[in-house]
Amino acid sequence: NAGVTQTPKFQVLKTGQSMTLQCAQDMNHNSMYWYRQDPGMGLRLIYYSASEGTTDKGEVPNGYNVSRLNKREFSLRLESAAPSQTSVYFCASAPGAGGTGELFFGEGSRLTVL
Amino acid sequence: DAKTTQPTSMDCAEGRAANLPCNHSTISGNEYVYWYRQIHSQGPQYIIHGLKNNETNEMASLIITEDRKSSTLILPHATLRDTAVYYCIVRAEYNFNKFYFGSGTKLNVKP
Repeated sequence: NAGVTQTPKFQVLKTGQSMTLQCAQDMNHNSMYWYRQDPGMGLRLIYYSASEGTTDKGEVPNGYNVSRLNKREFSLRLESAAPSQTSVYFCASAPGAGGTGELFFGEGSRLTVL
Repeated sequence: DAKTTQPTSMDCAEGRAANLPCNHSTISGNEYVYWYRQIHSQGPQYIIHGLKNNETNEMASLIITEDRKSSTLILPHATLRDTAVYYCIVRAEYNFNKFYFGSGTKLNVKP
């Protein structure tokens, strides 16, 4: 009963390094999302994928790229990490059109950029 | 999607009802009201949602005013484990992919 699984859970990068956050869901959901949460703040939508093969920008897409590899997996890539990208990253999934609108979240990936 | 306004924080005594307000005065007819909560630094958890009628589930009740410009989430018997940040979100049914969270209300349940 895994739900939404994110890897890695913790990561420390140096400025300019690149990395990819992985997200997988086993609920056969159509829609997937990436959010970031800075200390003391709410969640902000980075990118989302309405269905396999499509991706769209959210509120704060700059500095990120995404790939919807297949229906299960949605990855977030930082090409050249900056200290401003230090945050907790949450992946979520939802059934999509016709569903109740409930989002299912992963446990988060804590990223520090030095 | 309509914007929401919530108090920054609230206190509630353990065992008492917690009433969390949300203002969404610009809500339109096809927009739903959703509530989520985030305990400590975990991923947010869905609580309840509604369109115009009051809703109740095993976690909470949602009261939406007749003009739909505000709503209240009610936790009938708050426990210490209900201490969390509660988010009120308004979202159109057709806009199911744009799910924006604000800053929420930090509910502190005290013994």
